Amino acid sequence: DTEVTQTPKHLVMGMTNKKSLKCEQHMGHRAMYWYKQKAKKPPELMFVYSYEKLSINESVPSRFSPECPNSSLLNLHLHALQPEDSALYLCASSQDRGGVRPLHFGNGTRLTVT
Amino acid sequence: AQTVTQSQPEMSVQEAETVTLSCTYDTSESNYYLFWYKQPPSRQMILVIRQEAYKQQNATENRFSVNFQKAAKSFSLKISDSQLGDTAMYFCAFIKTGANSKLTFGKGITLSVRP
Repeated sequence: DTEVTQTPKHLVMGMTNKKSLKCEQHMGHRAMYWYKQKAKKPPELMFVYSYEKLSINESVPSRFSPECPNSSLLNLHLHALQPEDSALYLCASSQDRGGVRPLHFGNGTRLTVT
Repeated sequence: AQTVTQSQPEMSVQEAETVTLSCTYDTSESNYYLFWYKQPPSRQMILVIRQEAYKQQNATENRFSVNFQKAAKSFSLKISDSQLGDTAMYFCAFIKTGANSKLTFGKGITLSVRP
């Protein structure tokens, strides 16, 4: 069982839709991450939250909007996506951002943009 | 900037045999951690093993062990007694210690375990 829960598992959306991805962890971790992963490629970092504040935005287009309502929850709001945004979106958490603690990943949301 | 290189895109091993996955990295940092993550078809990235750079002893987790050569900047993963469930993509990753550190992944290697 994964300790980082992502919903939904699969999402199909049109280019004009608005949808959200959700990530939850109850391990008391204070750092949370969004990654985008294309098939057979390594994950690419999108955003990092540390103590509920956005600390890294890897120049992600504004059609992706992260939100961290509390220390256990991380959302990724999607609007006006492009077909090339179709990918596996992984959420991860760690105790802190010091690099000492490993990342724990969720099972991901498979997103298809039509 | 750090780089992580996994030069073998694919490997195959017979069940119960031993296989070694290669990884090299480049950094000027002295304090860092190295990881191997496994991603089976179920998609979840699972931590296999972790190595602290300041520790000379190679990390071991059951059938998984690493050969950490700090001077050569090499970090290979040995899987003993391979099992069908080991079939997955394996990523080597690097992170320096510090508040603004980011995990750097290698390109990954697809490992297939043959029955």
